[in-house]
Amino acid sequence: AQKVTQAQTEISVVEKEDVTLDCVYETRDTTYYLFWYKQPPSGELVFLIRRNSFDEQNEISGRYSWNFQKSTSSFNFTITASQVVDSAVYFCALSEASGGGADGLTFGKGTHLIIQP
Amino acid sequence: KAGVTQTPRYLIKTRGQQVTLSCSPISGHRSVSWYQQTPGQGLQFLFEYFSETQRNKGNFPGRFSGRQFSNSRSEMNVSTLELGDSALYLCASSLYGTGGYSTGELFFGEGSRLTVL
Repeated sequence: AQKVTQAQTEISVVEKEDVTLDCVYETRDTTYYLFWYKQPPSGELVFLIRRNSFDEQNEISGRYSWNFQKSTSSFNFTITASQVVDSAVYFCALSEASGGGADGLTFGKGTHLIIQP
Repeated sequence: KAGVTQTPRYLIKTRGQQVTLSCSPISGHRSVSWYQQTPGQGLQFLFEYFSETQRNKGNFPGRFSGRQFSNSRSEMNVSTLELGDSALYLCASSLYGTGGYSTGELFFGEGSRLTVL
């Protein structure tokens, strides 16, 4: 069965610090998709990135970067020079491609990121 | 481009009642999925609809049901409400849904927060 673990329940840093959110996943599929979502207090999950299992290239988008390592089943997310607006709960999620049915996304428990001014 | 719209945003019910939640997906999206979010269990997949057909269902009792209309709008219903059904119910729309080899981004609404007294 698929599983996503976000071991960090809460992280608090001071503004402008770099911070890395960890995500470890389990799946028996060879083809799968990994996601990161941000959930601000309003409740809406905001899509950040999708990565398929065949693409291990790291990705950078502004202050955000993602490190995907199949060897360690990890898909970590780094925010560089954090800002107060980055404060939110961040979720890592997994979707398996095979199996025929749509099993939705399997989410981790989330990491509550607090950026202090 | 309008996002995913969920109604109502907040509602309070008592045990034994039933509730219907509505979701209007992004225009052109044919897949709608539903998730339940609680502090204890986190985000859990309820079910996914694609072109009016339920593709799969998560591990929830039969009291939880849903449907999708020809315009892709979706409703979910919870009958005989229990205290444990108190949660944020999130709807997500996407072009292709999850599962298979074309899993794309899911776009979430702000959710319907249900309180059962």
